[in-house]
Amino acid sequence: NADVMQNPRHLVRRRGQEARLRCSPMKGHSHVYWYRQLPEEGLKFMVYLQKENIIDESGMPKERFSAEFPKEGPSILRIQQVVRGDSAAYFCASSPRTGGANTEAFFGQGTRLTVV
Amino acid sequence: EDQVTQSPEALRLQEGESSSLNCSYTVSGLRGLFWYRQDPGKGPEFLFTLYSAGEEKEKERLKATLTKKESFLHITAPKPEDSATYLCAVQGETSGTYKYIFGTGTRLKVLA
Repeated sequence: NADVMQNPRHLVRRRGQEARLRCSPMKGHSHVYWYRQLPEEGLKFMVYLQKENIIDESGMPKERFSAEFPKEGPSILRIQQVVRGDSAAYFCASSPRTGGANTEAFFGQGTRLTVV
Repeated sequence: EDQVTQSPEALRLQEGESSSLNCSYTVSGLRGLFWYRQDPGKGPEFLFTLYSAGEEKEKERLKATLTKKESFLHITAPKPEDSATYLCAVQGETSGTYKYIFGTGTRLKVLA
């Protein structure tokens, strides 16, 4: 899992501030997924991106949340004007392809966001 | 809509006491079923991928099997270090996207 790099590992924000979470996928992986996890709950899908394209954002709130995966650099999940309900662990995963064999996703260690 | 249900929610075993975890799924066009292990405060760690009914995969004390409606993760003679939450996920062909749908997991505790 260490090959999918997320930073920061812990992030504390005051209500109303912006949170920016970064994810560098495994080398050679062009598909990135973001998930959110609350304590004692499963992983909830937020968004699926390929380089420069948002493929599926059906799990992402329409307001305050955005994601990007530029041609160069990490994928970014941005949360504007954070509220206490945004406190959670956010995980990024990457995979090399979506068809055929070896489509499993590999996860990073997550960013734990705390809104105070 | 694609759905994954895992049971039991929690399981306590004595060291050496074998058992099975269940993952029931409904998905339109299964592309793959995935098992992960998650330790507290960590990201999910990939264990197995199963692609078609009848397929089995094995790794140390773990064996995953797949039918058309469910998957089992068999744990043989578990050790305390096997304690973790085990997550099941499916990837389907619904709407042409390839997101992974996760169950809520089974929290396994193996007692020495």
